[in-house]
Amino acid sequence: DAGVTQSPTHLIKTRGQHVTLRCSPISGHKSVSWYQQVLGQGPQFIFQYYEKEERGRGNFPDRFSARQFPNYSSELNVNALLLGDSALYLCASSLAGLRQGDQPQHFGDGTRLSIL
Amino acid sequence: GQQVMQIPQYQHVQEGEDFTTYCNSSTTLSNIQWYKQRPGGHPVFLIQLVKSGEVKKQKRLTFQFGEAKKNSSLHITATQTTDVGTYFCAGLNAGGTSYGKLTFGQGTILTVHP
Repeated sequence: DAGVTQSPTHLIKTRGQHVTLRCSPISGHKSVSWYQQVLGQGPQFIFQYYEKEERGRGNFPDRFSARQFPNYSSELNVNALLLGDSALYLCASSLAGLRQGDQPQHFGDGTRLSIL
Repeated sequence: GQQVMQIPQYQHVQEGEDFTTYCNSSTTLSNIQWYKQRPGGHPVFLIQLVKSGEVKKQKRLTFQFGEAKKNSSLHITATQTTDVGTYFCAGLNAGGTSYGKLTFGQGTILTVHP
């Protein structure tokens, strides 16, 4: 079975632009979470979606938004990009759980976003 | 908000030596998960601990969850070069404003010299 797939793998943007990152979860997984990983740090939680509804949000500005589709795939959108948004953006899927961290997170390879 | 601290930040060992990383949370946890991230890769789930005082083993890896459910450790016996990577703990907060969210530590980078 395929794992979590993310696209694109790399992206270069300039300040002020917006970006859309995509994620397809493992088949049968209904929960998708997004994380930002800055070099040398652990992943930082951004959003969790389950059954197309936002179930959790981390401490990120409103420039960050996401959604989940009926097939459980998900998009992360970031508007008005800043230099500090440069990071690896990881998507993780998991089996349904009441809370985001109830189940193991299965990560994709991530999207490396560079802001110039 | 919840903070999860890991020590040490870096650990260099000779192949065959043991390795331990420690994880401490500022708040009580519902569970704790451990992940391994190889250089250039993504985090891979290793294990989840739920019960107070729980100890689990995976071959040369031993995971412990503290009695107060605020700390955890990962111990690797007789390291091998394949153990190289960054080890993260991730705690699920039991309450407060971070309820239900996984908080990752900053990781411990392990290098193994053959």
